[in-house]
Amino acid sequence: KAGVTQTPRYLIKTRGQQVTLSCSPISGHRSVSWYQQTPGQGLQFLFEYFSETQRNKGNFPGRFSGRQFSNSRSEMNVSTLELGDSALYLCASGTPGSQETQYFGPGTRLLVL
Amino acid sequence: GENVEQHPSTLSVQEGDSAVIKCTYSDSASNYFPWYKQELGKGPQLIIDIRSNVGEKKDQRIAVTLNKTAKHFSLHITETQPEDSAVYFCAARTGRRALTFGSGTRLQVQP
Repeated sequence: KAGVTQTPRYLIKTRGQQVTLSCSPISGHRSVSWYQQTPGQGLQFLFEYFSETQRNKGNFPGRFSGRQFSNSRSEMNVSTLELGDSALYLCASGTPGSQETQYFGPGTRLLVL
Repeated sequence: GENVEQHPSTLSVQEGDSAVIKCTYSDSASNYFPWYKQELGKGPQLIIDIRSNVGEKKDQRIAVTLNKTAKHFSLHITETQPEDSAVYFCAARTGRRALTFGSGTRLQVQP
């Protein structure tokens, strides 16, 4: 079974631009969570989607948004990029059922100049 | 919200020795505790997890123990090998809330 895939793997943007990242979960998984990883703040939760609905949300500004499609694929968008948004953005898909286990993709490394 | 503290931040062991990483959590209602291994340039990989109704779980050279009373859990790696070198993260979750991660431990296994 294929793992979680994320595209693109690397991205360079300038301040003020916006960016869209994509995540395809493991086949059969219906929940997708997004995390931001930085050396200073570690792994921080952004949001989680399940069956196209946002189920949980972390403490990030409204510039960070996401959505999930009917095939469980998810996208996250960051508008008006700031230098501090440079990070590894990780997507994790969750196994179905009440005892959910999360599996991570390789991440998208975003550099904001 | 949940807070997870992880120690040590770096750990260096000789090949063949054991390594222990410890985490404490703040929410007594937390019921799921996974451990992830992250190698350079890769996403975190789940290596073992434990739920609150179990005190210990073992998978070959890796084991995790959970002390609900003290609110701490530990990862034990025996007979370490150079390929165990990576950053290890603990995490905790309450119900269907998001995972809260520890700050990570960089493990270096010296050949």
